[in-house]
Amino acid sequence: GQNIDQPTEMTATEGAIVQINCTYQTSGFNGLFWYQQHAGEAPTFLSYNVLDGLEEKGRFSSFLSRSKGYSYLLLKELQMKDSASYLCAAMDSNYQLIWGAGTKLIIKP
Amino acid sequence: GAVVSQHPSWVICKSGTSVKIECRSLDFQATTMFWYRQFPKQSLMLMATSNEGSKATYEQGVEKDKFLINHASLTLSTLTVTSAHPEDSSFYICSAREAGVIYEQYFGPGTRLTVT
Repeated sequence: GQNIDQPTEMTATEGAIVQINCTYQTSGFNGLFWYQQHAGEAPTFLSYNVLDGLEEKGRFSSFLSRSKGYSYLLLKELQMKDSASYLCAAMDSNYQLIWGAGTKLIIKP
Repeated sequence: GAVVSQHPSWVICKSGTSVKIECRSLDFQATTMFWYRQFPKQSLMLMATSNEGSKATYEQGVEKDKFLINHASLTLSTLTVTSAHPEDSSFYICSAREAGVIYEQYFGPGTRLTVT
């Protein structure tokens, strides 16, 4: 079956760095997405990886290892506004997104 | 660009009534639209995929006679929750995919449905 695993909740301190891990198993693979979702709002796109390696975009970076079925989202210089849920989603061979349950990130001052 | 709107943003209805939610792509043609449901503290659950001009494809466990989806044009899809019950109370989110762009989905802001 298809499955996405990510931690349920993480806590970090303002100004620090946090890494949110995601492992996936899908029927075929057409890329790995990360979305940010604030409570009561729709998800917003953060990153897309289809090749192995690290993609950096400002304070956020995303890494992919296809051989390991593994990705992480790295958030640097954490700000209070980064408190949100982070959703990992893998696109399968039918170009359908398989969603993880999300990681709730709590930022403490 | 790539803006998706939803209407209404929130709605309260009585048990047994029907509610229609609209999803519009404002500045692009959406050949495919997706409808999701999200319960508190849970992830997105795909309900159905609709392609313009054809019948929607429903995910396993989603009642197609209860959740009516119409995608009559390249900019509009509607979800009608028929004979709503309190357990249908949820956050409904649509997303749209532009013609020829497989890897991106643009999300609407969501509709909060409360059934009393």
